[in-house]
Amino acid sequence: DVKVTQSSRYLVKRTGEKVFLECVQDMDHENMFWYRQDPGLGLRLIYFSYDVKMKEKGDIPEGYSVSREKKERFSLILESASTNQTSMYLCASRPSTDGFNQPQHFGDGTRLSIL
Amino acid sequence: GQNIDQPTEMTATEGAIVQINCTYQTSGFNGLFWYQQHAGEAPTFLSYNVLDGLEEKGRFSSFLSRSKGYSYLLLKELQMKDSASYLCAVMDSNYQLIWGAGTKLIIKP
Repeated sequence: DVKVTQSSRYLVKRTGEKVFLECVQDMDHENMFWYRQDPGLGLRLIYFSYDVKMKEKGDIPEGYSVSREKKERFSLILESASTNQTSMYLCASRPSTDGFNQPQHFGDGTRLSIL
Repeated sequence: GQNIDQPTEMTATEGAIVQINCTYQTSGFNGLFWYQQHAGEAPTFLSYNVLDGLEEKGRFSSFLSRSKGYSYLLLKELQMKDSASYLCAVMDSNYQLIWGAGTKLIIKP
């Protein structure tokens, strides 16, 4: 089974702090994704990465950055946390885009609160 | 713009059948996914449809009509453990997933 592990289930930070969310997958997947999930809204894509050292902006990249130095690890960085970034953050991975039917596999999420 | 519509919440009885609908308008279509998400847990993959018709997997079936921009997830012989949110997502022409807001399914004894 694919395992996607997010470093924290719950995190509380203060406004203005730099926040790091870590995600590790164990199936050698090329593609990795960061989403946020808010009530009443679908998953919204923040950033994704097709492979090591590569990154692409998603629909809502403002206020975030990412790092993919190793294939198994994809980090999301909140440069200067703000209260509107309080949310559930989900990381996902999938094999390369050669197979359209390959599903994304998700971690359990990090519930981040910015005070 | 791109849009995925699902009902916000549905209620059904244990042992019954429920159909969760999803309509979509996207730029291109490379398949439709259904995921299940229990409260506080990760979404887990249920099904993928790219051709018109019905795909059956045990108690769960998923239907697609590309001409109508419509899909449904059919759950039979409902069990209490089926209480969860069900997420519909369409892969667009850029191979990105566009997600619906999810349908919260409540199962009553």
